[in-house]
Amino acid sequence: AQKITQTQPGMFVQEKEAVTLDCTYDTSDPSYGLFWYKQPSSGEMIFLIYQGSYDQQNATEGRYSLNFQKARKSANLVISASQLGDSAMYFCAMREGEASGGSYIPTFGRGTSLIVHP
Amino acid sequence: DAGVIQSPRHEVTEMGQEVTLRCKPISGHDYLFWYRQTMMRGLELLIYFNNNVPIDDSGMPEDRFSAKMPNASFSTLKIQPSEPRDSAVYFCASSFGLAGDNEQFFGPGTRLTVL
Repeated sequence: AQKITQTQPGMFVQEKEAVTLDCTYDTSDPSYGLFWYKQPSSGEMIFLIYQGSYDQQNATEGRYSLNFQKARKSANLVISASQLGDSAMYFCAMREGEASGGSYIPTFGRGTSLIVHP
Repeated sequence: DAGVIQSPRHEVTEMGQEVTLRCKPISGHDYLFWYRQTMMRGLELLIYFNNNVPIDDSGMPEDRFSAKMPNASFSTLKIQPSEPRDSAVYFCASSFGLAGDNEQFFGPGTRLTVL
């Protein structure tokens, strides 16, 4: 079974608008972490934001915020005021602990391609 | 801070040749990871090291692949002999630790093409 599911292969947004990229996960571990990475066309993977399963508040980093809905097992990335430079692939990843047979190594989703239109 | 350094950035080789990819992790990071990215399979973990010791190599596709970390500042991923299906982008990443918010820092990747 897929541990991380990103159902949107591609998304389009107008510059300066907000966009939400979906991520759902599957784990039985009560302690886990969720990450989002950005991969621009140049290829490097850039860490954006982290949410721990016990964190009470949704994580925010500048224009990035994570809409964490634990009961629904979703960790959607919200990018506010989109910029042309936000055009990239975005990957959601989950780190599980040993309680669920995990190894603390993040498992990555297949990614969502975001294109920001001027 | 220089970040994770990988070389070469691009490699084109012919089937049957040996390929060696190199990685220098961020100083002070105890963990080093090798990933492979393809359109078909996404981002796959091949192997990871802790304090230069290989911990889990279950992702290494077959015996043609081998990885070493002779010291804390250098690792290699070798493919011998290479095959066209090995064509992919290979990433090296490093991190301080595994738990909590220790994110992985990725290198720029090596784009490998095997003809």
